Amino acid sequence: KAGVTQTPRYLIKTRGQQVTLSCSPISGHRSVSWYQQTPGQGLQFLFEYFSETQRNKGNFPGRFSGRQFSNSRSEMNVSTLELGDSALYLCASSLASGGASYEQYFGPGTRLTVT
Amino acid sequence: TQLLEQSPQFLSIQEGENLTVYCNSSSVFSSLQWYRQEPGEGPVLLVTVVTGGEVKKLKRLTFQFGDARKDSSLHITAAQPGDTGLYLCAGASSSGNTPLVFGKGTRLSVIA
Repeated sequence: KAGVTQTPRYLIKTRGQQVTLSCSPISGHRSVSWYQQTPGQGLQFLFEYFSETQRNKGNFPGRFSGRQFSNSRSEMNVSTLELGDSALYLCASSLASGGASYEQYFGPGTRLTVT
Repeated sequence: TQLLEQSPQFLSIQEGENLTVYCNSSSVFSSLQWYRQEPGEGPVLLVTVVTGGEVKKLKRLTFQFGDARKDSSLHITAAQPGDTGLYLCAGASSSGNTPLVFGKGTRLSVIA
């Protein structure tokens, strides 16, 4: 079974620009979560989608948004990029949303650098 | 707000040594997971523990869930350079339908 894929793997953008990242979950997984990872803050939860509906949202500004399609693929968008948005963005998929069996399978991430 | 504290933050040891990393919280979790992340890659799920007091072994790695389901430990026996990486613990809320709570991780370096 193919794992979680993320595209692109690396991205360099300029302040003020916007960016769209893509995630394809493991086949059959309906939940997709997005995280931002930085050396200082660790893994921070952005949002989770389950069956095209946003189930949970982390404490990030409205510049960060996402969506999920009927085939469970997900995209996240960051508008008006700031230097502090430079990070590894990770996507994770799981069969369920919440509960004791809430195991997540991560993609390799997209490394975003904002200059 | 549920928090998971991991200790130590950094650990550098020689090949062949044993080590233990800890994951602690004041909150109860329905399950706790351990992940390992290597540079440039996403975290990989190692194990999930569900029952208080549960012990799981994965080759040289031993995972334990505290009796009260508030803490966990990971013990590595005879560490090897291939064990190098960032170890993350994550807790699933007992209330359900909430995101996993991740610790900030323990960065392990095993020197040959």
